[in-house]
Amino acid sequence: QQQVKQSPQSLIVQKGGISIINCAYENTAFDYFPWYQQFPGKGPALLIAIRPDVSEKKEGRFTISFNKSAKQFSLHIMDSQPGDSATYFCAASSTLSGSARQLTFGSGTQLTVLP
Amino acid sequence: DTAVSQTPKYLVTQMGNDKSIKCEQNLGHDTMYWYKQDSKKFLKIMFSYNNKELIINETVPNRFSPKSPDKAHLNLHINSLELGDSAVYFCASSPGLGNSPLHFGNGTRLTVT
Repeated sequence: QQQVKQSPQSLIVQKGGISIINCAYENTAFDYFPWYQQFPGKGPALLIAIRPDVSEKKEGRFTISFNKSAKQFSLHIMDSQPGDSATYFCAASSTLSGSARQLTFGSGTQLTVLP
Repeated sequence: DTAVSQTPKYLVTQMGNDKSIKCEQNLGHDTMYWYKQDSKKFLKIMFSYNNKELIINETVPNRFSPKSPDKAHLNLHINSLELGDSAVYFCASSPGLGNSPLHFGNGTRLTVT
């Protein structure tokens, strides 16, 4: 049972283009939505995150768009660079019990930015 | 200084063996995790410890046993290894139980032959 669905599985973009990765969820208990970036041979690292009370968050070239009613959120990478080539994971967090929280990851998108 | 370090980086072993992966974090975080990343790069949580107390224990075979001697260390012991255990195992830590970012180690690639 995949609670966070991510697409596309792979994405090839020209340098300077816009990369868009989409995620959808069903569980309305999710209340925090981070994106992680993973380079080959490394662990994932937090890139940007959003709470559902805002529709957009921007940090440099990276923007999260959030649509609460549609239960969808997306990552936009503007002016994509070859150094952005990595695997991107969306995730969603919910309370497990008490103050414990659980992070559920999407299936990942392999982004390749061509020079 | 490496924030979350795992050893070994690579582990090749035969079916039926028992092996351990060690993890240490020097960030002063209270919560530590083990994640499994399969060949399709899907990340799934296995265990979470907060201040040495187990708080998340997903549906993982009981051949997998985490051990937290102190809050800076979370080791993973695997008994009777099977071919399907081949994956990359990531240790991670976070400051607390809230929406704190996870800090991942660089993974241990386990290959069972």
